[in-house]
Amino acid sequence: ETGVTQTPRHLVMGMTNKKSLKCEQHLGHNAMYWYKQSAKKPLELMFVYNFKEQTENNSVPSRFSPECPNSSHLFLHLHTLQPEDSALYLCASSPPMTGGYNQPQHFGDGTRLSIL
Amino acid sequence: SQQGEEDPQALSIQEGENATMNCSYKTSINNLQWYRQNSGRGLVHLILIRSNEREKHSGRLRVTLDTSKKSSSLLITASRAADTASYFCATDGTAGNMLTFGGGTRLMVKP
Repeated sequence: ETGVTQTPRHLVMGMTNKKSLKCEQHLGHNAMYWYKQSAKKPLELMFVYNFKEQTENNSVPSRFSPECPNSSHLFLHLHTLQPEDSALYLCASSPPMTGGYNQPQHFGDGTRLSIL
Repeated sequence: SQQGEEDPQALSIQEGENATMNCSYKTSINNLQWYRQNSGRGLVHLILIRSNEREKHSGRLRVTLDTSKKSSSLLITASRAADTASYFCATDGTAGNMLTFGGGTRLMVKP
């Protein structure tokens, strides 16, 4: 148990569907992240939120829309996805930087997304 | 291009042997982290080494950092079948609390 919970664990959707991925952390962290992990590619950072404010959008297509209503919850809204968007989507959280140093990130187990 | 790149991409050893994985990166860092990922699971943080540190230990793990060569290594001693996983290095890059991950090393430890 990492303290970061992602739901659903698996999701199959058509290209015209709209769905949302949910992430919840019980660690008291105030930074949250979305990553995409595709086969044979490095982990790709998608979005970063610090204290509920989006501080990084790594050139992610607009068909992915993040939402962070509070420091404990993070959503990724999906619409009109493409087959190449099939991947494992990982959420992570971390404490704020300390003394200019990044802190370890705590990951959920991901949502395995398949686009038909 | 990615910041961290692990070498080798895959490693297969017998239980009890040591496993060494290497990571190279391109730009200056404040710290470097190693993570482990079991199949179908999320990443788990293993160890963090700061740029002013050269070596760090945690249980059977030993991490070294050579900032002049922009490289790090992760050594797992006396490996166990349960160590079978993918191992990733991550660097903190230039700004903010973002990490850049390498492609990982897939380690298989045969019983």
